[in-house]
Amino acid sequence: TAGITQAPTSQILAAGRSMTLRCTQDMRHNAMYWYRQDLGLGLRLIHYSNTAGTTGKGEVPDGYSVSRANTDDFPLTLASAVPSQTSVYFCASSDGLRAFFGQGTRLTVV
Amino acid sequence: RKEVEQDPGPFNVPEGATVAFNCTYSNSASQSFFWYRQDCRKEPKLLMSVYSSGNEDGRFTAQLNRASQYISLLIRDSKLSDSATYLCVVNLAAGNKLTFGGGTRVLVKP
Repeated sequence: TAGITQAPTSQILAAGRSMTLRCTQDMRHNAMYWYRQDLGLGLRLIHYSNTAGTTGKGEVPDGYSVSRANTDDFPLTLASAVPSQTSVYFCASSDGLRAFFGQGTRLTVV
Repeated sequence: RKEVEQDPGPFNVPEGATVAFNCTYSNSASQSFFWYRQDCRKEPKLLMSVYSSGNEDGRFTAQLNRASQYISLLIRDSKLSDSATYLCVVNLAAGNKLTFGGGTRVLVKP
């Protein structure tokens, strides 16, 4: 079973460029999340979606946007990347209780 | 004050010893609680849910103290393979936002 898949697994991006991190789940979970993880700061919520068609802001939403056109996909877009967005990004989905994570995307903005 | 707080550690534990650590949460309306394990910035994986009455899974015991708003994790007979970062997760039923603590790093040494 695929579970939840992220792409790409890693990326080097020039500052000012845009990029979309992809996240797809096949578990039919309603809730999905994007987190970033930086050394010493743990996992911080960027955006979330409780169900298809709705999204909400997390703890650190600035510089990021999301969409939830359907249940399975929850892409995260950086419109104009900055070096402070260098991080490991984790997508997760939830069955209403537990969360299941993708393998992460390691993004370096130079 | 952060919504979910953990002692970052590291907790240096001799192999075979017992280690315990807590996680405090600020929102008394929190409904669900979990412990996740994360290895070397790989994706977090669910270790166990935390129930009001406390629960045990092999060498791991989780407790919830609603009055003092904390959960705990105890690891008995520590193994080298228990070395990891343990993340506390709290879910508010309203908004369905999973909030992570910063993690507690545990290092089990021979």
